[in-house]
Amino acid sequence: GQQVMQIPQYQHVQEGEDFTTYCNSSTTLSNIQWYKQRPGGHPVFLIQLVKSGEVKKQKRLTFQFGEAKKNSSLHITATQTTDVGTYFCAGQYSGTYKYIFGTGTRLKVLA
Amino acid sequence: GAVVSQHPSWVICKSGTSVKIECRSLDFQATTMFWYRQFPKQSLMLMATSNEGSKATYEQGVEKDKFLINHASLTLSTLTVTSAHPEDSSFYICSARWGGNTEAFFGQGTRLTVV
Repeated sequence: GQQVMQIPQYQHVQEGEDFTTYCNSSTTLSNIQWYKQRPGGHPVFLIQLVKSGEVKKQKRLTFQFGEAKKNSSLHITATQTTDVGTYFCAGQYSGTYKYIFGTGTRLKVLA
Repeated sequence: GAVVSQHPSWVICKSGTSVKIECRSLDFQATTMFWYRQFPKQSLMLMATSNEGSKATYEQGVEKDKFLINHASLTLSTLTVTSAHPEDSSFYICSARWGGNTEAFFGQGTRLTVV
């Protein structure tokens, strides 16, 4: 079946360091979304990528969608303690309305 | 932004009883609502998708007779966990979207503990 994997599973960084999480699908995606979930909270929508090779930025966050639309990445520049949480990608496949969530990357930022 | 309210935020029930969780879209009409289950430190697993006025579509492996989903109006969907058992203890989250909009908005989640 369709699977969306994320690496790494966990990442501990010192405050100020950069962080990247990678999302990979076994098959081509229609589009991909990224969410952030704080400990004890619910997922919050960050962004959606639709086009092949698309790059979007939100302040310190940079999102990329691969040329083949099978992978995506989220890069955070100069992490802050407020970036702590689990980052999920969620992929949608052509012909379906639902999103398959990735396994998530839990980020811990050490002050 | 769009607001989705989920109630209750936490519930403890006895084994064998049923629990109903409500998911409401407060400022938009949700044509589609999704129900997820999340175990501690794990990803969100889609349980079912409900469209207003029609039967829910369940994911493979999800018992439709155990997890009853009703989407009676454009602003309310309910998930009823019937004859709950300790293994049903989990974090249940709903999300909703409208029309052709692909962005989904999540409720706060419900932490269910079955004792």
